[in-house]
Amino acid sequence: EPEVTQTPSHQVTQMGQEVILRCVPISNHLYFYWYRQILGQKVEFLVSFYNNEISEKSEIFDDQFSVERPDGSNFTLKIRSTKLEDSAMYFCASSGAPESTDTQYFGPGTRLTVL
Amino acid sequence: RKEVEQDPGPFNVPEGATVAFNCTYSNSASQSFFWYRQDCRKEPKLLMSVYSSGNEDGRFTAQLNRASQYISLLIRDSKLSDSATYLCVVSSIYDKIIFGKGTRLHILP
Repeated sequence: EPEVTQTPSHQVTQMGQEVILRCVPISNHLYFYWYRQILGQKVEFLVSFYNNEISEKSEIFDDQFSVERPDGSNFTLKIRSTKLEDSAMYFCASSGAPESTDTQYFGPGTRLTVL
Repeated sequence: RKEVEQDPGPFNVPEGATVAFNCTYSNSASQSFFWYRQDCRKEPKLLMSVYSSGNEDGRFTAQLNRASQYISLLIRDSKLSDSATYLCVVSSIYDKIIFGKGTRLHILP
């Protein structure tokens, strides 16, 4: 069964450093998403991406965040200057159709720890 | 009112029992509804979509009440493997997908 993969599974970084989280969505999917989940909190939408551009973003997704699909398979989330409060589980998801009409499949997540 | 609200639980239920969760949503323009389950420190996984007419998948039944803006999930003959957090998810065509905080379920042997 096709699945979304994410690397690394755990990333530890110093405050102020840049991190790049990587995702490989399901190959025939067209819509890509990033979510985060702070420990003990709910899953929060960050951004959706379609046709090589951001289709929607939340208020969390400020100028410190950016997304990119550098090639035909990878989808990345970059945090330019990490803060302590960025520590969370980051999930990538993909779907074959827009979020309102199709199932999103989630990757296993990257646990980001900012020290 | 929170966008998607769920009773956090935990619900402690003996194996074999029936358990039901509700979820309320605030945006009347919401169009799509889902139940996901999330095991501890794992990713959310789709359990089932929720359709206007209600739908059933084995031991799981989902219902939607648009007038009162809530959805429900019923689990019959609960099993130990049903222990998880159940996430209510709501979206509309013009809005991002919103997750509830989840309801924790513990099935007791």
